Amino acid sequence: GQQVMQIPQYQHVQEGEDFTTYCNSSTTLSNIQWYKQRPGGHPVFLIQLVKSGEVKKQKRLTFQFGEAKKNSSLHITATQTTDVGTYFCTGNQFYFGTGTSLTVIP
Amino acid sequence: GAGVSQSPRYKVAKRGQDVALRCDPISGHVSLFWYQQALGQGPEFLTYFQNEAQLDKSGLPSDRFFAERPEGSVSTLKIQRTQQEDSAVYLCASSWTQETQYFGPGTRLLVL
Repeated sequence: GQQVMQIPQYQHVQEGEDFTTYCNSSTTLSNIQWYKQRPGGHPVFLIQLVKSGEVKKQKRLTFQFGEAKKNSSLHITATQTTDVGTYFCTGNQFYFGTGTSLTVIP
Repeated sequence: GAGVSQSPRYKVAKRGQDVALRCDPISGHVSLFWYQQALGQGPEFLTYFQNEAQLDKSGLPSDRFFAERPEGSVSTLKIQRTQQEDSAVYLCASSWTQETQYFGPGTRLLVL
């Protein structure tokens, strides 16, 4: 099935710094979804991107879908401690990969 | 409205014991998914239902794992003769479409 590779696997940032995680697929995706999982919690749906080149914003979070629909990114501006968790992208509802684990240092 | 619920939230089993994990999806959700999540890993797909039909069970790791959703609503994941490597969090998710999934809190299984 379609699987996406996500980088980096881990990221430590100082509170207030920006953070970006990237998803890359070898095949064209019909859509991509992003989820966030807090430590000890369960994945929570954040957003779905469908259109080529689509950009969506949720407060300090900016999601992009590449023009070729093979990659996507999540950018967080001015991280806060509430952003701590693992961020997953999936281009196929069955495969989540290892995600990017974000640690925010106060 | 009510989200996805799972029970029990925690389960300790002795090796060789059978366990049954329950998932109550969001009312009206057609699709239901089971995942296994080991510590520090992402959710690993186990099986998928559309209504009562089990359309994909390719992720079930062995024939000790069995899932059912007889009336197209509540689902049960059964693990027979549990082994230590079965220790993980078992997540259930439901969705109206095949895309956006709403996850339950999970069942933490520890096999001793």
